[in-house]
Amino acid sequence: DAGVTQSPTHLIKTRGQQVTLRCSPKSGHDTVSWYQQALGQGPQFIFQYYEEEERQRGNFPDRFSGHQFPNYSSELNVNALLLGDSALYLCASTPRAQETQYFGPGTRLLVL
Amino acid sequence: QQQVKQSPQSLIVQKGGISIINCAYENTAFDYFPWYQQFPGKGPALLIAIRPDVSEKKEGRFTISFNKSAKQFSLHIMDSQPGDSATYFCAASGAGAGSYQLTFGKGTKLSVIP
Repeated sequence: DAGVTQSPTHLIKTRGQQVTLRCSPKSGHDTVSWYQQALGQGPQFIFQYYEEEERQRGNFPDRFSGHQFPNYSSELNVNALLLGDSALYLCASTPRAQETQYFGPGTRLLVL
Repeated sequence: QQQVKQSPQSLIVQKGGISIINCAYENTAFDYFPWYQQFPGKGPALLIAIRPDVSEKKEGRFTISFNKSAKQFSLHIMDSQPGDSATYFCAASGAGAGSYQLTFGKGTKLSVIP
């Protein structure tokens, strides 16, 4: 059984560009959450998607947006990239009717 | 506002010793408290989790102790091994109160020396 998968593993962008990160949840999981983890810090909640809708959002600007598809996979989009957006972006999926979140390996984004 | 405070920031333990990491929370709506282990370059992996109706939960060498009145919980790693060297995060959420996000502590870097 594959775990949570994310793509790409690494990405380098320049300021002002836009980026799309992708996540496939574990089989049987219907909820996807996205987190940003700066170097040496704990993950910070960006938003959570359930039934193709954004269910809850953390303290991130509108430059951060997302989408969930009918197969429960998800995308995170970040517009107008800033240097401070450089971080590890983590996706976590949750089994149906449970609350435990299982994390993927992350996408390392570097903004130059 | 940091809602989950974790200490210590770093910890060095000898092989076979006990590693203890502490967390305190402020939001009484939190009702789910997981611990995650993260190795460099990897995503966090769930170790063990507890709810407030239980004061202690043990899984192998890992034990969570929970003190609801003090709003504190801790992770004990018994017989610590060099392979346990990683960063540990406590977290909290309050799905019962409609908050699904995990709020993480800042992490504890554990080094187990032979």
